[in-house]
Amino acid sequence: QKEVEQDPGPLSVPEGAIVSLNCTYSNSAFQYFMWYRQYSRKGPELLMYTYSSGNKEDGRFTAQVDKSSKYISLFIRDSQPSDSATYLCASLSGGSYIPTFGRGTSLIVHP
Amino acid sequence: KAGVTQTPRYLIKTRGQQVTLSCSPISGHRSVSWYQQTPGQGLQFLFEYFSETQRNKGNFPGRFSGRQFSNSRSEMNVSTLELGDSALYLCASSLVGGEKLFFGSGTQLSVL
Repeated sequence: QKEVEQDPGPLSVPEGAIVSLNCTYSNSAFQYFMWYRQYSRKGPELLMYTYSSGNKEDGRFTAQVDKSSKYISLFIRDSQPSDSATYLCASLSGGSYIPTFGRGTSLIVHP
Repeated sequence: KAGVTQTPRYLIKTRGQQVTLSCSPISGHRSVSWYQQTPGQGLQFLFEYFSETQRNKGNFPGRFSGRQFSNSRSEMNVSTLELGDSALYLCASSLVGGEKLFFGSGTQLSVL
């Protein structure tokens, strides 16, 4: 079992929909939680970064961490075709330099 | 500020050959990590260098090696290539490593 699990999808939604992307993790030592977005033929780019539990909002994106259930979520409001990409969640324990990545969820937003 | 630059972007090699990939990190970043990405396995960590020293290593065979130079630029080498080495190889830089990685566009390696 991987330490960070993520449904690979694809997840297909119409433009304007609210998207919910999720990950679960098993390592209780994880304290930092990240979401990366990867477009086709590109490297991942950091989208959201959260420390410990709680919510963090940035424009149309909201990251949510529930450490009690070991659940990580990314919500995208008013989704756009340009949001079509693979979204990778990642987690990191304190004192470590190497995050553990999920396998990514492919998101398709169709006009 | 220039991003992470990886060269070459595409590479085709045959089994048994060796290959060297290059990564120029963001100026000021001292940590450089390398990842292998395949559709089946996702992102797999190869190794991480910090100030010219290998600080962390993933579970890859010794055919995979790397180094970091004094200007933080890094190279990774794969010797005796196998078909299964076909993948996107990604380099990521960060100030000290960890939660905020900046990735290059990768080198797509095809082994025939």
